[in-house]
Amino acid sequence: AQSVTQPDIHITVSEGASLELRCNYSYGATPYLFWYVQSPGQGLQLLLKYFSGDTLVQGIKGFEAEFKRSQSSFNLRKPSVHWSDAAEYFCAVGARGTDSWGKLQFGAGTQVVVTP
Amino acid sequence: DTEVTQTPKHLVMGMTNKKSLKCEQHMGHRAMYWYKQKAKKPPELMFVYSYEKLSINESVPSRFSPECPNSSLLNLHLHALQPEDSALYLCASSPASVDTQYFGPGTRLTVL
Repeated sequence: AQSVTQPDIHITVSEGASLELRCNYSYGATPYLFWYVQSPGQGLQLLLKYFSGDTLVQGIKGFEAEFKRSQSSFNLRKPSVHWSDAAEYFCAVGARGTDSWGKLQFGAGTQVVVTP
Repeated sequence: DTEVTQTPKHLVMGMTNKKSLKCEQHMGHRAMYWYKQKAKKPPELMFVYSYEKLSINESVPSRFSPECPNSSLLNLHLHALQPEDSALYLCASSPASVDTQYFGPGTRLTVL
């Protein structure tokens, strides 16, 4: 079974500074990988995904993530944070194979606070 | 268009009430999901429908009853809920069962 670890529960960053959120996964093969963002009381919005191919993935809102097979990581980055980026960020892993029925394993989430 | 809609946005119900949550998508997706999310926690999968058939029931109590009338609609019928069932209920859909999931805005449920 797959598992996901987001080591940082909470990150505070200054507006305009760079941001990196860590995600490590455990899975027997190459999984599907996702980053979602959730504002308070809202649903989850897809930021980006990795299925195969180029290991550097570009997403919405200026985010990017890099899949590193050797480190079992899929870290999310943004060069310059805006106050509107304050939210909860979830990394998720999906197993390949139709017997998984698309079940996603979510990390515990990282709360991002942006200071002026 | 990657929109999943959910109604109502908020619901308050007593432990003896019967209510339903509704989810709708018009993207032609063939898989739909119900998740439960408690505060400060990640979503937990409850049910998966693939091609309108229930494929996964993650050992959810019978007081939650899913229904998929057609490929665009997904309902969650609620009966005799407990206060600990208060949570944000999220619906998602994906083109196929192993694919990107798109989430709705959720229904905030409070059980008194």
